[in-house]
Amino acid sequence: KAGVTQTPRYLIKTRGQQVTLSCSPISGHRSVSWYQQTPGQGLQFLFEYFSETQRNKGNFPGRFSGRQFSNSRSEMNVSTLELGDSALYLCASSFGGHNEKLFFGSGTQLSVL
Amino acid sequence: GESVGLHLPTLSVQEGDNSIINCAYSNSASDYFIWYKQESGKGPQFIIDIRSNMDKRQGQRVTVLLNKTVKHLSLQIAATQPGDSAVYFCADPNNAGNMLTFGGGTRLMVKP
Repeated sequence: KAGVTQTPRYLIKTRGQQVTLSCSPISGHRSVSWYQQTPGQGLQFLFEYFSETQRNKGNFPGRFSGRQFSNSRSEMNVSTLELGDSALYLCASSFGGHNEKLFFGSGTQLSVL
Repeated sequence: GESVGLHLPTLSVQEGDNSIINCAYSNSASDYFIWYKQESGKGPQFIIDIRSNMDKRQGQRVTVLLNKTVKHLSLQIAATQPGDSAVYFCADPNNAGNMLTFGGGTRLMVKP
C-alpha cells in the first residue's frame, strides 16, 4: 500500500511569507503528526491531529498551525516566515491508538531566504 | 555566517562487523520504544520496536535490548552492511498520545 506522501518535496520562500505543506497519510490511518527537523535542534514535535481535532501540541509559536480534513489528509501552515524556520518538515501517520509505531513521509525541505 | 550543527555521536564500523547503538531514556513510565533509521534525504524509517514487558526482541539482523533498571536500550545490527549507513534514533511515544520524543541520534558509518 502507498506510504505517507508529502508535498511539495522542496520549497523556497522569503522572510515574511507564509507557506502551506500537505500530508496524505497511509490509507486507514487517522492520526497525523508533524515534526520539524533541523541540524541544530534535531527532531521536534509540532502537533498531532486525530479525527480532524488537534490532540497534542508541541512547544512552537502560534505562527505554526495545522488542520486535518475528513479524509485524514493534513496541512500545516507557517505564517510570517523567519530564517530559523528553514528545516525538514516531516509528517507521520498511524491508526491513532495508544503507543503505536508511526510511519513517516520523506518530508518537505523548506528554505527561507 | 557560521553555522552550528547538531553534533551526532558517530559509530564507525567495518563492513561485516556487528554494530551496537545505545540510547538512554528518562521517563520511568515509558512502556514502548521504537528504533528508526534515517538515510540522507529521507524520513525516519521504522526498524523495530519493543514494549516494556520484554527485555529483548529480534528482527532480521537487528536485536533491541531493553534494561528498565538503568533506563537504557540498545540496537544491535549483525553483519553490518554499507546500506546500514544512516542516522539511528530511539523514540519514546508520549503516553498522552502519539507524540514521539526522539533521542539525539547516532550516525552509523560503515567502512567497506
